[in-house]
Amino acid sequence: QQQVKQSPQSLIVQKGGISIINCAYENTAFDYFPWYQQFPGKGPALLIAIRPDVSEKKEGRFTISFNKSAKQFSLHIMDSQPGDSATYFCAASRSLGNDYKLSFGAGTTVTVRA
Amino acid sequence: GAVVSQHPSRVICKSGTSVKIECRSLDFQATTMFWYRQFPKQSLMLMATSNEGSKATYEQGVEKDKFLINHASLTLSTLTVTSAHPEDSSFYICSARDDRYTGELFFGEGSRLTVL
Repeated sequence: QQQVKQSPQSLIVQKGGISIINCAYENTAFDYFPWYQQFPGKGPALLIAIRPDVSEKKEGRFTISFNKSAKQFSLHIMDSQPGDSATYFCAASRSLGNDYKLSFGAGTTVTVRA
Repeated sequence: GAVVSQHPSRVICKSGTSVKIECRSLDFQATTMFWYRQFPKQSLMLMATSNEGSKATYEQGVEKDKFLINHASLTLSTLTVTSAHPEDSSFYICSARDDRYTGELFFGEGSRLTVL
């Protein structure tokens, strides 16, 4: 049973456009929500992460929006560039104690066209 | 930033042989490491949690005798695929948690296993 649902499965955006990826979770004990970027043949790399005490976090062109009541969070990639073409995974976990297993979304393949 | 190194990055072996993949945290200590498996165009599937000095905890459906995990030190965990078969061909990725912090997990570059 997938604990984090991610959509869309793929998206195509023009250079300079905005990419938006949405995720929803069920477990209210989750308190850490990272986004990972993965290029083909490589391991995932942490892009940005948020905790439930804030509703938005921005790092450069990447912004996470978090809605605790709706149990949803999203990644916005502003001014998308061809180098942003990759697969993006949202994830969630409890960050305290030994139960620190990340639950991953299914992934979104983003293609940025020049 | 913290670096997790995996070796080898690619390995090809014959059916029936065993393959060992190493995962090292290069600049931090990691009591806990995780092993994932990823099929093409799919998400990461957690296989097991590796704890230094104790037995690994395997996820449901993962064969313990097939995928042997050893976490011998605070910077090294190994995954051994025993008696590998073509269906074990996959991308294996490890991650490690820095003992100094709660939160961020660092991922290795992955190891592509091809069993002929």
